[in-house]
Amino acid sequence: DTEVTQTPKHLVMGMTNKKSLKCEQHMGHRAMYWYKQKAKKPPELMFVYSYEKLSINESVPSRFSPECPNSSLLNLHLHALQPEDSALYLCASSHSRANTGELFFGEGSRLTVL
Amino acid sequence: SQQGEEDPQALSIQEGENATMNCSYKTSINNLQWYRQNSGRGLVHLILIRSNEREKHSGRLRVTLDTSKKSSSLLITASRAADTASYFCATDARDSNYQLIWGAGTKLIIKP
Repeated sequence: DTEVTQTPKHLVMGMTNKKSLKCEQHMGHRAMYWYKQKAKKPPELMFVYSYEKLSINESVPSRFSPECPNSSLLNLHLHALQPEDSALYLCASSHSRANTGELFFGEGSRLTVL
Repeated sequence: SQQGEEDPQALSIQEGENATMNCSYKTSINNLQWYRQNSGRGLVHLILIRSNEREKHSGRLRVTLDTSKKSSSLLITASRAADTASYFCATDARDSNYQLIWGAGTKLIIKP
């Protein structure tokens, strides 16, 4: 069982759709992350939200936009995605700011873009 | 960018045998972590070893760190079918702007 909850587990969307991935943690962690993972590859960091500050991997296209309604929620809004964006999207959280300790991952949201 | 390299890329052994995976990195680090990922699932943290530590144990896991060679190894003793998974190392590099740098991963298959 994971203490980081991601919904939905699976999502299929067309290239003109707008959808959102949701992530929630109740561990009181102050940093949350979105990672993208393609098959047989390591995860790639997309966004970090830590102490109310958002850090963005500059290679992430603008069709992905994060939103942090409060310290326990981190959403990922998806708009006008491409088939190559199909991947496993992983949310994670950590006690300390910005990747200096153990990450707690959710089970992931499997995204398919048609 | 990925600085970690893991070998082997894939490893298949019989249940009960020991499995050893290696991770190499390029820059100075604060710590190195190992994670396990079952197919299509999230990653699970296994162990963190700090740059001033040389060896750490957790149950059947033994991790070593050689900062002079910029390498780490993960040993799983008395392997079980449930250990079948991908294993990733991740470094908290001192000049990485707080980003974890991930290795390419080792796919471990335990044959019953």
